[in-house]
Amino acid sequence: GDSVTQTEGLVTLTEGLPVMLNCTYQTIYSNPFLFWYVQHLNESPRLLLKSFTDNKRTEHQGFHATLHKSSSSFHLQKSSAQLSDSALYYCALSRKNYKPTFGKGTSLVVHP
Amino acid sequence: EAAVTQSPRNKVTVTGGNVTLSCRQTNSHNYMYWYRQDTGHGLRLIHYSYGAGNLQIGDVPDGYKATRTTQEDFFLLLELASPSQTSLYFCASSDERGSNERLFFGHGTKLSVL
Repeated sequence: GDSVTQTEGLVTLTEGLPVMLNCTYQTIYSNPFLFWYVQHLNESPRLLLKSFTDNKRTEHQGFHATLHKSSSSFHLQKSSAQLSDSALYYCALSRKNYKPTFGKGTSLVVHP
Repeated sequence: EAAVTQSPRNKVTVTGGNVTLSCRQTNSHNYMYWYRQDTGHGLRLIHYSYGAGNLQIGDVPDGYKATRTTQEDFFLLLELASPSQTSLYFCASSDERGSNERLFFGHGTKLSVL
């Protein structure tokens, strides 16, 4: 089956520094859809951004990610972390006629 | 914004107890999902459905049953609850499976099995 790997369980940053959360995936399907969901404390996960186009940067709310099929990666980045970015981030994969697959999540903590 | 409503928001039961978690979506979505969320494990798929009367097994189905009575309603049943089922449960819906359609999540049900 499919798998999604988020290597960091916890990332701690100082406000203003760049953010990079890693996501790699495995699937036999050549055209997967990749997603980043964000979950703030005591809330439910909600979509942050998504992509299915190879090598095309997608952006939303200051975050961006580029799907690289050659390396099976979809890393989440932001140029400058804010306190309000502290949350749990999930990378997820979807493909035609198959159940979605989530990574285990990365908890981002931004401190002053 | 699409709406997914879960009830109850909190539930406490004892080992061996019988629990039903409810989920209703008013998005006219075909797919509905039940996840559990645990620290260190992320979101794990229990069961899902692509329409009334349909049920598909997820990745961690043991100890759980589910039923989709209508397009709107999806229930998760724990007939003999165990402490290992203490968790935060999320219901979600989507228009299609395996597409670029995102999942819409409910607010979650916190279940404690004593």
